[in-house]
Amino acid sequence: GAVVSQHPSRVICKSGTSVKIECRSLDFQATTMFWYRQFPKKSLMLMATSNEGSKATYEQGVEKDKFLINHASLTLSTLTVTSAHPEDSSFYICSARDQNGYTFGSGTRLTVV
Amino acid sequence: QQQVKQSPQSLIVQKGGIPIINCAYENTAFDYFPWYQQFPGKGPALLIAIRPDVSEKKEGRFTISFNKSAKQFSLHIMDSQPGDSATYFCAASKGSSNTGKLIFGQGTTLQVKP
Repeated sequence: GAVVSQHPSRVICKSGTSVKIECRSLDFQATTMFWYRQFPKKSLMLMATSNEGSKATYEQGVEKDKFLINHASLTLSTLTVTSAHPEDSSFYICSARDQNGYTFGSGTRLTVV
Repeated sequence: QQQVKQSPQSLIVQKGGIPIINCAYENTAFDYFPWYQQFPGKGPALLIAIRPDVSEKKEGRFTISFNKSAKQFSLHIMDSQPGDSATYFCAASKGSSNTGKLIFGQGTTLQVKP
């Protein structure tokens, strides 16, 4: 089946620094990928839709200058959390859709100290 | 109109029991209804999905029942096992293109007691 690889699985960074999270579709091409944020014991909140070769589409209330998305190829999307602060600490998950539905990465636990 | 409402928030059953999780949606344009299972610290994994042209779908111990007129769908887990203890999410999306956004329910934490 389809596999989406997300890296890193965990990252701790200092407040004010930037962190990049990668999402790769390993065995299929994804013109569209999705980025979610999940708080403890809560549901997945869609942050943005990443489009290969064009700008991402952000959901209402998501700061596009804070969460930079780049979809450079048909198999790679990146999310960069810029000038991270403790309130950005969360579980970030990417997803891509293939012919069988949506496949999710294993998530990235970001902790900003 | 984009919401998917899921209940109950949590559920405890004995091994062998049949937990049932319910979801309701408003947007009649939704045409894809998956269920995901998530373990702590992991991404969601697809369990089973249904489209509105069928009323029931079964895969192994997992069954989706779909009521198009009521705009409701549910997940049944037959012969539940302690290993089924996880958080379950229903979801919905519209359109057959790859750009359709997936909208999640609030999640149900299931505990299956030995």
